[in-house]
Amino acid sequence: SQELEQSPQSLIVQEGKNLTINCTSSKTLYGLYWYKQKYGEGLIFLMMLQKGGEEKSHEKITAKLDEKKQQSSLHITASQPSHAGIYLCGADPSGTYKYIFGTGTRLKVLA
Amino acid sequence: KAGVTQTPRYLIKTRGQQVTLSCSPISGHRSVSWYQQTPGQGLQFLFEYFSETQRNKGNFPGRFSGRQFSNSRSEMNVSTLELGDSALYLCASSLASNQPQHFGDGTRLSIL
Repeated sequence: SQELEQSPQSLIVQEGKNLTINCTSSKTLYGLYWYKQKYGEGLIFLMMLQKGGEEKSHEKITAKLDEKKQQSSLHITASQPSHAGIYLCGADPSGTYKYIFGTGTRLKVLA
Repeated sequence: KAGVTQTPRYLIKTRGQQVTLSCSPISGHRSVSWYQQTPGQGLQFLFEYFSETQRNKGNFPGRFSGRQFSNSRSEMNVSTLELGDSALYLCASSLASNQPQHFGDGTRLSIL
């Protein structure tokens, strides 16, 4: 079965710094979702990447999908305390709504 | 547009009891999925319903069951609760297979 592994597991950065979170799949990625979760709450949809080489941006967050590397990256520019939370990547490998999620990256941004 | 609504937000039960959690999807979304989230196992897929039919099921024991009503609202039931069932249970709805899932805020279930 396919698995998604995220790195790093946790990250502490100073406000204003850039950072990157990676999501690596054990099998070919045909699409990937990025979510953000605040502790004890639901997941907030950030971005969906559907094609290899695709890159999407929203405000200060950019996500890319590299199918050859079976990897996606999430980059935050000039981080702010509001970016703090747990970032999760997710995929529906077989297109059957049986989603899998990565292990999560816990981000803390120091003001 | 209202988001995914889960009730209750918090629940405390004792071992051996059963519990029912409710989820109202975003209007127009017919696919509803349930997940269990724990610190040790992360986010794990329980099952997915579409038009009142369970289309997919994760690797959970039969104590975990669900159903979907004609208005797409869904419930999940856990019988004979165990301490290990303590978790955040999340519901998500989706418009189609190539569209993202949208999550509710979850039900925090604690088993004493």
